[in-house]
Amino acid sequence: AQRVTQPEKLLSVFKGAPVELKCNYSYSGSPELFWYVQYSRQRLQLLLRHISRESIKGFTADLNKGETSFHLKKPFAQEEDSAMYYCAPLESGAGSYQLTFGKGTKLSVIP
Amino acid sequence: GAVVSQHPSRVICKSGTSVKIECRSLDFQATTMFWYRQFPKKSLMLMATSNEGSKATYEQGVEKDKFLINHASLTLSTLTVTSAHPEDSSFYICSALAGEVTLDEQFFGPGTRLTVL
Repeated sequence: AQRVTQPEKLLSVFKGAPVELKCNYSYSGSPELFWYVQYSRQRLQLLLRHISRESIKGFTADLNKGETSFHLKKPFAQEEDSAMYYCAPLESGAGSYQLTFGKGTKLSVIP
Repeated sequence: GAVVSQHPSRVICKSGTSVKIECRSLDFQATTMFWYRQFPKKSLMLMATSNEGSKATYEQGVEKDKFLINHASLTLSTLTVTSAHPEDSSFYICSALAGEVTLDEQFFGPGTRLTVL
């Protein structure tokens, strides 16, 4: 069974400071990895996926297979980045798939 | 930590039958639960918001008569897929919002894979 770990439950940074939200996964195959974000009292939404290698709202995430990590980074935090962030590996194969969510990290950006 | 369970984890059914999926918060009370559907290689889609003791709020495009949601207690919400068809085959995830937490976070269940033959 795969497992995903987000070691920080709460992360507070000052506005303009760099941000790194950690995510480690335990999986024997080659998962597809996602970051989801939930702003206060809003629905969960997809932030980015590793296969697209895109930058959304200034966030990037690189899959490091050696370290089995998929940390989310942003060079300069903004107040509007305050939210809950969930890392989620997707296991797929033989026509089936399963998405596993981490417990989430609450990012608080201090003005 | 807060734990949310789903039962069953996998279910296979014939077309035309109904399937019930349970979502339970094991160690906390959840006044609000969410039901999501995961399409292949796509983001989660919120189907409905379930509030204990009241009718669920469905997202646009989700048939409330097909996806029946019942939140009868503070620890249990059920999703019943009625008259299931192959296109209903999907991965269904629930989450629960704890009523009295400072971090305003939701806890996800492990998901249920539904296959309709």
